[in-house]
Amino acid sequence: QVQLQESGPGLVKPSETLSLTCTVSGGSISSYYWSWIRQPPGMGLEWIGYIYYSGSTNYNPSLKSRLTMSVDTSKNQFSLRLSSVTAADTAVYYCARHISGASNVFDYWGQGALVTVSS
Amino acid sequence: AIRMTQSPSSFSASTGDRVTITCRASQGISSYLAWYQQKPGRAPKLLIYAASTLQSGVPSRFSGSGSGTDFTLTISCLQSEDFATYYCQQYYGYPYTFGQGTKLEIK
Repeated sequence: QVQLQESGPGLVKPSETLSLTCTVSGGSISSYYWSWIRQPPGMGLEWIGYIYYSGSTNYNPSLKSRLTMSVDTSKNQFSLRLSSVTAADTAVYYCARHISGASNVFDYWGQGALVTVSS
Repeated sequence: AIRMTQSPSSFSASTGDRVTITCRASQGISSYLAWYQQKPGRAPKLLIYAASTLQSGVPSRFSGSGSGTDFTLTISCLQSEDFATYYCQQYYGYPYTFGQGTKLEIK
């Protein structure tokens, strides 16, 4: 059974960089696309971007200028960095796997990591 | 970005009811639509993709239909565990976008 687990600081100061890592267990990170999705408290879902195991990426244009994703296949991990954060970036951040066949829906999700932007 | 609009935003129903949730896209998305269920404090769970394909392990009381701009999620006989928030998601164009959610509550 594939499992995903987000990790990283739960509190980030305004203007600093938010960093999260997703560790994949029970399966290989290879041959799949992996996304980050966020959900502000009490609100809906926003797709942040995806990374392929090869390192290719596709970002949401609304975040692209502040966003960097990377992958480490040796550790079965992928990561998110979002710079110059504001209170509007406060959210639960989920990592998720794209269903096999390169379709862009998400069949496995992490439990989510709440990141609060506050001084 | 393609805008996804769900209706209703919330409603109440009873166990055993048949319920339908609607999702409308701001432009045609063929059948590139998925439905998710989310319970409080939990990650979303994939129910349906390609508008009508049931994800493995999802009960057959869930069904989806539609293409182009108008889609529906139907739960044929509500069970207690179905009370949750439901989201549609389009994956026809970037960025992928979700509907605002439909909260299904117990009457």
